[in-house]
Amino acid sequence: GENVEQHPSTLSVQEGDSAVIKCTYSDSASNYFPWYKQELGKRPQLIIDIRSNVGEKKDQRIAVTLNKTAKHFSLHITETQPEDSAVYFCAASWSNFGNEKLTFGTGTRLTIIP
Amino acid sequence: NAGVTQTPKFQVLKTGQSMTLQCAQDMNHNSMYWYRQDPGMGLRLIYYSASEGTTDKGEVPNGYNVSRLNKREFSLRLESAAPSQTSVYFCASSDVSGGHDEQFFGPGTRLTVL
Repeated sequence: GENVEQHPSTLSVQEGDSAVIKCTYSDSASNYFPWYKQELGKRPQLIIDIRSNVGEKKDQRIAVTLNKTAKHFSLHITETQPEDSAVYFCAASWSNFGNEKLTFGTGTRLTIIP
Repeated sequence: NAGVTQTPKFQVLKTGQSMTLQCAQDMNHNSMYWYRQDPGMGLRLIYYSASEGTTDKGEVPNGYNVSRLNKREFSLRLESAAPSQTSVYFCASSDVSGGHDEQFFGPGTRLTVL
């Protein structure tokens, strides 16, 4: 089955600086890579996702890059703000628009220092 | 539009007791999922249901059973609870026909088994 590794487990960043979280996956058949944000005591929520036919995707201050050859993908947050403090999870699956059996990474606790 | 709802929010059980966690969604989604979240382990898939009347095992199904009662509801049952099942349980749903992969999560059930 799929195995997803996520690093670092904790990350502290000065407000306004950039944050990068990296994930690697094992199954070359995986083609869908979402990122979820989970605030303390809340449910996970999708913030951005990417498919294997795209190398990079951006949405305002967040971007995701994918390197299929190396089987790794990364989340980039620029101009970090206090509300970016949360736990971030990457995930991978073979997606056929439904029936996604997501395999999650173990999470990165991001703290933004004012 | 409530999205994905779960009951109860909190539950304490003694070892050997049984209980059912309830999940319902009002987004007309075909696929539904049950995850457990443990510290440092990320989210792990217990069972999922691609459509009404079908269920399949995920990564950690032992000790659990599920029922897809109808398109809206997907329940998770612990027949004989064990301390190792202490966790936060999340239900999620996604839309097959819409061509989107996003999984929408419920608020979670925090279960403690003594």
